[in-house]
Amino acid sequence: DAGVIQSPRHEVTEMGQEVTLRCKLISGHNSLFWYRQTMMRGLELLIYFNNNVPIDDSGMPEDRFSAKMPNASFSTLKIQPSEPRDSAVYFCASKSRDGPKCTFGSGTRLTVV
Amino acid sequence: DQQVKQNSPSLSVQEGRISILNCDYTNSMFDYFLWYKKYPAEGPTFLISISSIKDKNEDGRFTVFLNKSAKHLSLHIVPSQPGDSAVYFCAAIKLGYQLIWGAGTKLIIKP
Repeated sequence: DAGVIQSPRHEVTEMGQEVTLRCKLISGHNSLFWYRQTMMRGLELLIYFNNNVPIDDSGMPEDRFSAKMPNASFSTLKIQPSEPRDSAVYFCASKSRDGPKCTFGSGTRLTVV
Repeated sequence: DQQVKQNSPSLSVQEGRISILNCDYTNSMFDYFLWYKKYPAEGPTFLISISSIKDKNEDGRFTVFLNKSAKHLSLHIVPSQPGDSAVYFCAAIKLGYQLIWGAGTKLIIKP
């Protein structure tokens, strides 16, 4: 079990550029979460997918953010255009139907300059 | 509105002794409570969970206690080891999927 795999680990980009963060779920997991962590607000849920369908996207900050789940094992989070205030660590997490345990990836540290 | 509160930002414990991390909550509708450990530059790692219908769950050195009348849970680590030094987050599950997080407690294990 390779766990939840996120890429890239670090991303530095200029304001206005498009950023795409990637996540590979654990095989057999059917729920996918994107979180953002900042010093000021802690861990915030951005979006939740269940069986590839977005269920709760109320945490997505604005239209510049979009997330997709093209298949059962992969997801992307896109920010277009990026802004300095988007700088944070973005975590992806997945969960199976059995039990409450949510497994997190190692995160992507995004810096927008 | 902080539904899950960890009132101690940090805790220092001697190696070999018991570490007790505390968490309070306000919503009686939570289904499960979980504890996660986080090292710098890594994602949170699941430690242990407890259903809202239980009052204790144990896994090796980790035991979680739930006091529903007081809306309080605690994580006990016995014995504490240097590798336990990390930030510990309490989280509650609402609506079957929504994780509500506490602010975290930094645990420092002294040699």
